[in-house]
Amino acid sequence: DVKVTQSSRYLVKRTGEKVFLECVQDMDHENMFWYRQDPGLGLRLIYFSYDVKMKEKGDIPEGYSVSREKKERFSLILESASTNQTSMYLCASSPVGGINYGYTFGSGTRLTVV
Amino acid sequence: KQEVTQIPAALSVPEGENLVLNCSFTDSAIYNLQWFRQDPGKGLTSLLLIQSSQREQTSGRLNASLDKSSGRSTLYIAASQPGDSATYLCAVRDGAGNNRKLIWGLGTSLAVNP
Repeated sequence: DVKVTQSSRYLVKRTGEKVFLECVQDMDHENMFWYRQDPGLGLRLIYFSYDVKMKEKGDIPEGYSVSREKKERFSLILESASTNQTSMYLCASSPVGGINYGYTFGSGTRLTVV
Repeated sequence: KQEVTQIPAALSVPEGENLVLNCSFTDSAIYNLQWFRQDPGKGLTSLLLIQSSQREQTSGRLNASLDKSSGRSTLYIAASQPGDSATYLCAVRDGAGNNRKLIWGLGTSLAVNP
């Protein structure tokens, strides 16, 4: 029962391309997150959203933007891909409250920019 | 500023051993702590979530404890199996700042040898 779905497992893009990473959750969660994960640096938060059309910058937003037009979908956009954006990208969602408001992650997208 | 540390960074054990993974955090004002598992090249799977008011959570061979006063959590794995080989990450949902974000450790890479 897949709950957070990332549209691609692997992507290869060229420098300068505009790249869209899509994430969909079916748990009616309010919060959604985009992370990147790099060896030795761990997970770093890029952007998050706590409501439709709302977004907040995380720790490393430079070079990225996001879109949340519907509650279930949160898109990460690389406006002009660069080689230093080669990474594993992870999407997650969580409810606002409740007893068990943990995070649920997607399976990740391995992006290579050449 | 909350910081999360996981020691050791890597661990190799023979099959059948009981083992403990450690997670420490600097600020005891947390909402909850979550343990995740990550297989190579994959996304994160949630293992256990401990609320700040709880002392421990159990799921099968896994037991996670939380001691807020000392800023520590442990993940106990009983009778380890080769299939337990993965990276284990802990994350705290910080209560001091923006409580929608997680603060991450860098993980412990576990190898269980047949």
